[in-house]
Amino acid sequence: KAGVTQTPRYLIKTRGQQVTLSCSPISGHRSVSWYQQTPGQGLQFLFEYFSETQRNKGNFPGRFSGRQFSNSRSEMNVSTLELGDSALYLCASSTAGTGGWEQYFGPGTRLTVT
Amino acid sequence: KNEVEQSPQNLTAQEGEFITINCSYSVGISALHWLQQHPGGGIVSLFMLSSGKKKHGRLIATINIQEKHSSLHITASHPRDSAVYICAVYGYGNQFYFGTGTSLTVIP
Repeated sequence: KAGVTQTPRYLIKTRGQQVTLSCSPISGHRSVSWYQQTPGQGLQFLFEYFSETQRNKGNFPGRFSGRQFSNSRSEMNVSTLELGDSALYLCASSTAGTGGWEQYFGPGTRLTVT
Repeated sequence: KNEVEQSPQNLTAQEGEFITINCSYSVGISALHWLQQHPGGGIVSLFMLSSGKKKHGRLIATINIQEKHSSLHITASHPRDSAVYICAVYGYGNQFYFGTGTSLTVIP
């Protein structure tokens, strides 16, 4: 089975722009979660989608949004980029949901905001 | 306030040593995960625990729900075990809370 894929792997954007990141889960997985990792804050939970519905959301401003398609692929969008949004963005998929189910992580998208 | 505390933050060991990484948490949880992150960013899920003990090869993870504490043990450590180990709990507010990670270096 193919693993979780994320595109693009690297991205450089300018402050004020917006960005869309994509995540394709393992075939058969219906849950996709997104995480932000920075040197200062470590890993933080952004949100989780299950069957095209946002099920849980972390403590991030509304500039961070996401969606999930009927084939379980997910996108996250960050609008009005700030320098502090520079981070590694990871997605993970699982068969059912977060928490009590094993998470399979993608390689991440490294976003640099200048 | 950190919901998840890990110790130690950094650990250097000689090849073959027995290693223990500790995780304490302050929220109610339904599951605890141990993750491994190698340089370059890729994260692998090592264990998911809700009670007791699990073992995969040289890795052992335990959890004590009453004491809100988990440990990850590596027996006969090897340089390829060098990585950052992250404790994550899923609980209050249906969210994941992450520890800051333990950076392990195993010297040949």
